[in-house]
Amino acid sequence: AQSVTQLDSQVPVFEEAPVELRCNYSSSVSVYLFWYVQYPNQGLQLLLKYLSGSTLVESINGFEAEFNKSQTSFHLRKPSVHISDTAEYFCAVRSNTGRRALTFGSGTRLQVQP
Amino acid sequence: GAGVSQSPRYKVAKRGQDVALRCDPISGHVSLFWYQQALGQGPEFLTYFQNEAQLDKSGLPSDRFFAERPEGSVSTLKIQRTQQEDSAVYLCASSLGASSYEQYFGPGTRLTVT
Repeated sequence: AQSVTQLDSQVPVFEEAPVELRCNYSSSVSVYLFWYVQYPNQGLQLLLKYLSGSTLVESINGFEAEFNKSQTSFHLRKPSVHISDTAEYFCAVRSNTGRRALTFGSGTRLQVQP
Repeated sequence: GAGVSQSPRYKVAKRGQDVALRCDPISGHVSLFWYQQALGQGPEFLTYFQNEAQLDKSGLPSDRFFAERPEGSVSTLKIQRTQQEDSAVYLCASSLGASSYEQYFGPGTRLTVT
């Protein structure tokens, strides 16, 4: 069984400030890790993923996340946020063998203020 | 190209009514997933199809929930004798192959049971 914890339900931040959205997971098997973003009135979109290899993964719009196996974390960071980054962010895990279902955290609402 | 589509986008049902929610996956996608997202929560897995075969239905909350994908493309999630706790957004996702990592999500159907 797997579980994902996103401790912060809301993160308010000013435009151009750095941000970190925290994600911790628990699993009895090795996992793949994902961050999804949900903009208002839109479906979930994959932001970035960790499958194997380098523990630091990046998205095309400046977000990055680092897989830390010892701390079972996959925190999402951006050095300078924009108003357009306002959205709900979901961390998710999936077993790397067998079961293909994603297990999601409860989400973090990033609110970027001018 | 067209993404995953779902219909209806909104559904209001009286308690005890049956509902049917439709998902049109991306053409050619082998895998199809259904998730349930309660207000303020992350999506929770319901069931998974590979082509027309339902390989995992471990997340269906009761025998009132039934899903099918008879021709390996369009899928229908049916809820019988709806109850208030069934109120949620129902998300459909598809992925290209049986071992593909990325799931593409539809916009969801918001079900409200009164």
